[in-house]
Amino acid sequence: GQQVMQIPQYQHVQEGEDFTTYCNSSTTLSNIQWYKQRPGGHPVFLIQLVKSGEVKKQKRLTFQFGEAKKNSSLHITATQTTDVGTYFCAGPTDSGAGSYQLTFGKGTKLSVIP
Amino acid sequence: KAGVTQTPRYLIKTRGQQVTLSCSPISGHRSVSWYQQTPGQGLQFLFEYFSETQRNKGNFPGRFSGRQFSNSRSEMNVSTLELGDSALYLCASSPVTGDNSPLHFGNGTRLTVT
Repeated sequence: GQQVMQIPQYQHVQEGEDFTTYCNSSTTLSNIQWYKQRPGGHPVFLIQLVKSGEVKKQKRLTFQFGEAKKNSSLHITATQTTDVGTYFCAGPTDSGAGSYQLTFGKGTKLSVIP
Repeated sequence: KAGVTQTPRYLIKTRGQQVTLSCSPISGHRSVSWYQQTPGQGLQFLFEYFSETQRNKGNFPGRFSGRQFSNSRSEMNVSTLELGDSALYLCASSPVTGDNSPLHFGNGTRLTVT
């Protein structure tokens, strides 16, 4: 079945440093979604990328979708302590008969040292 | 608009017992998905319901079941609990089903099986 892999699993950065997490799918995706889960919280939808090569920005966060629509990245510029949490990518898996399930990567847990 | 509501927030059960978890989606959302989250396996898809019909099922044993009511509220049931069922169970809703629908998660139910 489809797999969505994320690296790294953990990342510790000094406040102010940049951070990047990478996501790779074993199959071509129709879209990719990114979620953030704060410690003790639940995943919160951040953004969806649909087009090949698409780049979207949300303040200090930059999201990219690869040309082949099989990989994606999330880059945070000048991390802040509010960025702490686990970042997940997720892609839809075709379950047949027009139904889909969202398959999540295992996430990258970001720690920011003040 | 109220978010996704899950009850109860915490639950402690004994091996062999059964449990029912409840989820009320965002008003107007007709699709409800359930995920199991554990430190080792991450977010794993359990099932999705749309218009009272199970659209998708993940790779979980038959002890895990669910249903959706006409008001889109959903319940999931786990029978004959095992220690390995201890996890955070997350419910997520979206307006429609399909590969393009970002998920809105509830706070989850933390199930501990002793």
